[in-house]
Parts: sequence; C-alpha cells; structure tokens
Amino acid sequence: AQSVTQLGSHVSVSEGALVLLRCNYSSSVPPYLFWYVQYPNQGLQLLLKYTSAATLVKGINGFEAEFKKSETSFHLTKPSAHMSDAAEYFCAVSGRGNAGKSTFGDGTTLTVKP
Amino acid sequence: NAGVTQTPKFRVLKTGQSMTLLCAQDMNHEYMYWYRQDPGMGLRLIHYSVGEGTTAKGEVPDGYNVSRLKKQNFLLGLESAAPSQTSVYFCASSHTGGEGLYEQYFGPGTRLTVT
Repeated sequence: AQSVTQLGSHVSVSEGALVLLRCNYSSSVPPYLFWYVQYPNQGLQLLLKYTSAATLVKGINGFEAEFKKSETSFHLTKPSAHMSDAAEYFCAVSGRGNAGKSTFGDGTTLTVKP
Repeated sequence: NAGVTQTPKFRVLKTGQSMTLLCAQDMNHEYMYWYRQDPGMGLRLIHYSVGEGTTAKGEVPDGYNVSRLKKQNFLLGLESAAPSQTSVYFCASSHTGGEGLYEQYFGPGTRLTVT
C-alpha cells in the first residue's frame, strides 16, 4: 500500500523568497517519488524524480528535493521563487511490482506575490 | 513526437448520454492510465492498462469502461453519464523500467460537464 500527504493546500511566497512544499509518503516497498507541476488548463509535467540513487535530486526550473527515509519525506524546494513558478504541484509515490501505478497527493497551489 | 494526445478537449453531455474519450501516445509505452481530477482531490485512477489487450480497475472505476485494442490507444467510455462524472480527465502513459521507471507522461486533459 502507498499514500502521499501534502501539507498545505495553498502556499504563498514573495518573488525571490524560498519555496518549500512539503510531502510525506507511506509505502510498503522501496518507493519511487515524483514531483509534478501543473499550469492552468494543462496536464502534469515531471519536475523531478527519486529512484533510489542520490537522495538529493535536482529537477527542472531550479527545483530540488531531498529524500529522507527516516522522516518519510520528499519536500520540494527552490531558493528563489519566480512569478512563473505559480502553479499547482503534486507529489506522487510509486513502487516496483505495482504496474507503474502512482498515488498522488491532493496538490499544493503555489502563489508568488510580486 | 506529439507525446500523449487526448480528444476531445471539451464536451458537454446531458445525463444519460454516452461518450468515448480517446487517448493516443507515440512513445511506445506499455503502460497507460486514465485519471479524473476534481478540485482538492488530486488525481484519482479510474482504469489502467499494462499492455495491449489488457485493462484493470483503479481506485474509482464505477460508471466507466476502457479498452486497449492497440498499444498506442487507450479509450475511456461513459455508458450513461451522470452529473457526478463532471470532471477533468487525464490520460497518462509510462515506461516499464530502466531510468524512466514509472515516470508518467500526461495528456492535456478533457474537460467534461454533465448537466
């Protein structure tokens, strides 16, 4: 069984400020973890993924996430927010032997204030 | 590469009508998925397929049927639409292994309203 909890359905930051979006997971097998971004009226796009290699994962657009097994967390960060980062972000967990099925969190809407 | 495409983009149905949503991918992926997205509820898996000719139920399969007659296509059918099926529907596909392990590629979505 697998599940994802995203803490905070809405996060607001000022342009240039640190972005921190929280994700905690539960998985009965070694997890594969993903962050996706969804811009208005579009499908989801992969930001980054963890597949048991390096625990600090770098993605597109300056985002990165750190896998912490002891905390069952995979928080997404970006040092300096840009207006174009405003979107909805989804954390997802998958695992081997599960037909590639991912379980998605409920999403976090990021607002960036000028 | 077009990636994952979905038709139609928008549709309005009356209660009791039927329709089929088409998903096509040109990446030779084995796995394909149908999700629905509702506000505040993330994505919920409706049905999925691990290869041509195979389908399986996901988290919320009631009221939907699917078919995968060709590897590149995955169809989602609503036999008798209900207002509760008003949603945005996304199709996705993924590799079966290697470095692309289980990363999913999404289509642009179909916005369906049932009145």
